[in-house]
Amino acid sequence: AQKITQTQPGMFVQEKEAVTLDCTYDTSDPSYGLFWYKQPSSGEMIFLIYQGSYDQQNATEGRYSLNFQKARKSANLVISASQLGDSAMYFCAMREGLRGNTGFQKLVFGTGTRLLVSP
Amino acid sequence: GAVVSQHPSRVICKSGTSVKIECRSLDFQATTMFWYRQFPKQSLMLMATSNEGSKATYEQGVEKDKFLINHASLTLSTLTVTSAHPEDSSFYICSAPRGGRVTEAFFGQGTRLTVV
Repeated sequence: AQKITQTQPGMFVQEKEAVTLDCTYDTSDPSYGLFWYKQPSSGEMIFLIYQGSYDQQNATEGRYSLNFQKARKSANLVISASQLGDSAMYFCAMREGLRGNTGFQKLVFGTGTRLLVSP
Repeated sequence: GAVVSQHPSRVICKSGTSVKIECRSLDFQATTMFWYRQFPKQSLMLMATSNEGSKATYEQGVEKDKFLINHASLTLSTLTVTSAHPEDSSFYICSAPRGGRVTEAFFGQGTRLTVV
């Protein structure tokens, strides 16, 4: 079964508008972390935002916020006031088994959403 | 600035030759590093987990004799693609988690390998 599902292969948004990129996940581990990364055409992976499964509040980082709905197992990324430079691929990822784990666990990625911001 | 440096960013090699890709953590020690592979328009797939001072752990279906991983120091992991073939052409990217609450994984810039 897919651990991370991103159902939107592509999204379009006009500059200065807000956009939501969907991500649902599947895990039976009560302790996990959810990440969003941006990948521009250059290929680098840029960390945007993190949400821990035990975090009480939704994560926010500048124009990025994470709409975390634990019961629905969704972790949608909201980008407010889109900019032309936001055009890129966006990946949702999950790491399982965080609490009490002194080792580093791998990230499992979704298939990504290509965001295009138009003027 | 970048905290994980990957080199080279782009390499073209002849079929049958070997290529070494380096991944360095710049201002922290990384006992663990991860190597991913990404085909065009696809997601990142984990190839192996590199552990300092011990053998790498490979994901199912990844040939350990073809993709040699050496984690010789706390700041350097290398991936060597041996006897490269055109089907090995891909984007290879490493990551190194840095400790802390988030245990955020920082990524290198990636290496685009083309085998001709």
